[in-house]
Amino acid sequence: KAGVTQTPRYLIKTRGQQVTLSCSPISGHRSVSWYQQTPGQGLQFLFEYFSETQRNKGNFPGRFSGRQFSNSRSEMNVSTLELGDSALYLCASSLGSGTRVYEQYFGPGTRLTVT
Amino acid sequence: EDKVVQSPLSLVVHEGDTVTLNCSYEVTNFRSLLWYKQEKKAPTFLFMLTSSGIEKKSGRLSSILDKKELFSILNITATQTGDSAVYLCGKETSGSRLTFGEGTQLTVNP
Repeated sequence: KAGVTQTPRYLIKTRGQQVTLSCSPISGHRSVSWYQQTPGQGLQFLFEYFSETQRNKGNFPGRFSGRQFSNSRSEMNVSTLELGDSALYLCASSLGSGTRVYEQYFGPGTRLTVT
Repeated sequence: EDKVVQSPLSLVVHEGDTVTLNCSYEVTNFRSLLWYKQEKKAPTFLFMLTSSGIEKKSGRLSSILDKKELFSILNITATQTGDSAVYLCGKETSGSRLTFGEGTQLTVNP
């Protein structure tokens, strides 16, 4: 069974640009959560999608948005990039409703660098 | 606001040493406390703790939760270079949301 895949794995953008990251969950998983990891703030929850609906949202500005498609694949978008958005973006998939968080499987992450 | 604080932020030891990593959390909406190991890739699940005073053990790793004092420790005995990683502590709240600490960077030197 294939694991969680994220594309691209590495990305360099300049301030003011926008970026879209993609996450494909494990087959059969319907929930996708996104996290931002930086050296200073650690791993922070961005949002969770289940059945194409945002179910949970962290404390991030509106520049961060996401969506989920009918095949459970999810995309995350960051508009008007700032230097502080440089981070490792991780997505995690789980079966879905009622799943405990430890049953989430993390992808390898997308390393975003904003210059 | 949910907050999880880990200490130390980094630790350098020699093979064979025993290490103790600390994690404290706020009590709001607590459901469980989780530990993950992260090498240069995705975090991998180690332990989930829900009950106070019950030790979870897996090989050389063990963890315990104190719900009264709101903290958990992760112990690694007889450390090996392969234990070098970032160890993340996360608090699960109702709604299956996970709040992580900054992590402890453990380096085990031969």
